[in-house]
Amino acid sequence: GQNIDQPTEMTATEGAIVQINCTYQTSGFNGLFWYQQHAGEAPTFLSYNVLDGLEEKGRFSSFLSRSKGYSYLLLKELQMKDSASYLCAVSDNQGGKLIFGQGTELSVKP
Amino acid sequence: GAVVSQHPSRVICKSGTSVKIECRSLDFQATTMFWYRQFPKQSLMLMATSNEGSKATYEQGVEKDKFLINHASLTLSTLTVTSAHPEDSSFYICSAREVPGAVVNEQFFGPGTRLTVL
Repeated sequence: GQNIDQPTEMTATEGAIVQINCTYQTSGFNGLFWYQQHAGEAPTFLSYNVLDGLEEKGRFSSFLSRSKGYSYLLLKELQMKDSASYLCAVSDNQGGKLIFGQGTELSVKP
Repeated sequence: GAVVSQHPSRVICKSGTSVKIECRSLDFQATTMFWYRQFPKQSLMLMATSNEGSKATYEQGVEKDKFLINHASLTLSTLTVTSAHPEDSSFYICSAREVPGAVVNEQFFGPGTRLTVL
């Protein structure tokens, strides 16, 4: 079956670094996405990994290990506005269909 | 970047009525559009995949006769919730994928439609 797991919620301090983990088991794999979603809004694209390794984009980095079915999103220099839900999603075939994890609610405290 | 719009952003209707939600890709042609539903504190659940000019593919457990999807052009897909009931109240989000030619297998999301059925 298809299964994507990530922690339900996390708390971190402004200015700190936080790592959000995601493990997946899917019938196929055509890339892993991380999205940010604020309450009542649509998800916004953060990162995409299809090969093993680290992708860095400003304060955000994402890592993928296909052999372990594992990814993480790293957020540096946390800001209050980073408080949001972070969604891990796997594209399981060429058709572009995304399977989402349940999302990690991140709270950034002063 | 690619922009996807949804209309309406918010709708309140009486039980038993039908509601149509539009999803438009504004600056690109979307051969594939996806419809998701999101309940409070939950993640996005894919309802159906819509390809231009063909019938939508529904996920298991989604009633195709209740959630009618039409993708008549490369820039417009519509979702009609027929005979809506309070349990259909949810946040409906569409996304669009620009293929062929997309370098990254990325979906661009619309802003969502909040449906409340009284």
